[in-house]
Amino acid sequence: AQSVSQHNHHVILSEAASLELGCNYSYGGTVNLFWYVQYPGQHLQLLLKYFSGDPLVKGIKGFEAEFIKSKFSFNLRKPSVQWSDTAEYFCAVNARNFNKFYFGSGTKLNVKP
Amino acid sequence: EAQVTQNPRYLITVTGKKLTVTCSQNMNHEYMSWYRQDPGLGLRQIYYSMNVEVTDKGDVPEGYKVSRKEKRNFPLILESPSPNQTSLYFCASSKDRQGVEKLFFGSGTQLSVL
Repeated sequence: AQSVSQHNHHVILSEAASLELGCNYSYGGTVNLFWYVQYPGQHLQLLLKYFSGDPLVKGIKGFEAEFIKSKFSFNLRKPSVQWSDTAEYFCAVNARNFNKFYFGSGTKLNVKP
Repeated sequence: EAQVTQNPRYLITVTGKKLTVTCSQNMNHEYMSWYRQDPGLGLRQIYYSMNVEVTDKGDVPEGYKVSRKEKRNFPLILESPSPNQTSLYFCASSKDRQGVEKLFFGSGTQLSVL
């Protein structure tokens, strides 16, 4: 079975610090990759996604992620975080041959003003 | 407004009492799915549906049933709830049949089984 690992469960940063959240998956075939965000009290929203092409994808609110196939990784980055980025972030994988989604356990980001 | 609507938002029940959580989307989406969210485990897919009358198991289907008689509705049924089904449940939909486009999530249903 596929699995998605997010190694950082809780990250605390000050405003303007740089962010990198790790995501690794275990499926060897072709995948679609996603990052979703859940702001406090809200439902999950898509931050960005990768299907093919340029492995560096840009999403909303200044977030970007890089797909490194050889490392089975899809890390999320932001050069300078804001207090409003406080949320829980989920990495998700969908294998091209299946219709199931696999989510990581999530990373709670707390940005201090 | 395009949305996925789940009801109820909160539900407390007792072991063995059948319950249904409703999910409806107004975007004419093909794909619908159910997830449960538990601390430290993230979201795990329960069931999904690619079209009317087409449903399939996700990662954790035991103890749950679904049906897709109409395109817009995808109810989650717990025939005999148990305490280990206490969780936060989300319904989601996507316009493509494989669900690989953007998933639209509902606001969630917090279920407690006593």
